[in-house]
Amino acid sequence: NAGVTQTPKFRVLKTGQSMTLLCAQDMNHEYMYWYRQDPGMGLRLIHYSVGEGTTAKGEVPDGYNVSRLKKQNFLLGLESAAPSQTSVYFCASSYGDGTEAFFGQGTRLTVV
Amino acid sequence: KNEVEQSPQNLTAQEGEFITINCSYSVGISALHWLQQHPGGGIVSLFMLSSGKKKHGRLIATINIQEKHSSLHITASHPRDSAVYICAVRPYGGATNKLIFGTGTLLAVQP
Repeated sequence: NAGVTQTPKFRVLKTGQSMTLLCAQDMNHEYMYWYRQDPGMGLRLIHYSVGEGTTAKGEVPDGYNVSRLKKQNFLLGLESAAPSQTSVYFCASSYGDGTEAFFGQGTRLTVV
Repeated sequence: KNEVEQSPQNLTAQEGEFITINCSYSVGISALHWLQQHPGGGIVSLFMLSSGKKKHGRLIATINIQEKHSSLHITASHPRDSAVYICAVRPYGGATNKLIFGTGTLLAVQP
């Protein structure tokens, strides 16, 4: 039972570098989400997708892009990383709107 | 002021104690979630509720919609319960699956 799998688990980037975080789910969920978690703050929604081929902005989308080319995968891209993007990133998926969400193990990203 | 407030922020208990974590919110909601996050680990959904009470093993979650308040109780606490417990609410009429998260309660259960 893989559930929601995020890769990589850890990454250090230099300012200006780009990278892609991969989220894969094997539960045939329609909805997928990317959150960031920062100290002293609740999780904040970056982008989400309500189905294959669709994406939408969340609460803090600036500096990030996403793609959902396949139903099971949701990619989060940082085109030009900034120190303010140092955070722990969580992917989640759910069957539908308002249903239980399943989270991945998180990706700890440090931008120096 | 955050729309979702949790108390306490930190809690230390002795093994076997009964634990209560509180969540208060200021918006009308359609559902409330309790989540568990172990140190360095992922996030696990414990409960999703919109009224009344739910129980799973030693965990009990209650919600009072009129008072905009929810509690998470742990009976016979154990060191493996040590984790951050997060409350999240889904506002009425919010954007798709928009959740507002609390900042979490860090629980340490000592043997």
